[in-house]
Amino acid sequence: RKEVEQDPGPFNVPEGATVAFNCTYSNSASQSFFWYRQDCRKEPKLLMSVYSSGNEDGRFTAQLNRASQYISLLIRDSKLSDSATYLCVVNTNAGKSTFGDGTTLTVKP
Amino acid sequence: NAGVMQNPRHLVRRRGQEARLRCSPMKGHSHVYWYRQLPEEGLKFMVYLQKENIIDESGMPKERFSAEFPKEGPSILRIQQVVRGDSAAYFCASSPPDGPFNYGYTFGSGTRLTVV
Repeated sequence: RKEVEQDPGPFNVPEGATVAFNCTYSNSASQSFFWYRQDCRKEPKLLMSVYSSGNEDGRFTAQLNRASQYISLLIRDSKLSDSATYLCVVNTNAGKSTFGDGTTLTVKP
Repeated sequence: NAGVMQNPRHLVRRRGQEARLRCSPMKGHSHVYWYRQLPEEGLKFMVYLQKENIIDESGMPKERFSAEFPKEGPSILRIQQVVRGDSAAYFCASSPPDGPFNYGYTFGSGTRLTVV
């Protein structure tokens, strides 16, 4: 079983739709969590941190469920520019992060 | 304030040659991480370095791969006797101490290695 698992998708949604991704992790000692966005053939860019209390940044909301060991990312009112691969990242110590393989989102007009 | 600088952006090597990938961290960052992304796959951790010190190399293949971060100059990822399976995008990230744990990574633009 992988340490971090994501549904690879692809998710194909129309503009304006709401879409949610989940990411599960296996190590209960995991301490910090992030979502990154990666555009085709480019470097990953930090999207947002994920906290137990949940956090929101504009149209994006991230949630952490420690009991069930998953994190989620919700995107409301999808834009064409949201099309990308979304990577969840789980940290269990200060030096190494484990990346999920990513979920691909395509937003269509 | 320049970000993480990687060069070259693209590198083509014939089988058996050596590849050297360079990474200069962001100003003020003392920690460097190398990740590899094979085609159609996710990012896999390779190595974590501080100046003159390898902290964690658990993701490095046992043979042909080495990394260093000297006191002066960029971090270098070296691949000897490259094979076609080494073709991938190699991303470098930097952070202050505890950066990835608390703040996440800042990645460079990557080096795309093609072995022919």
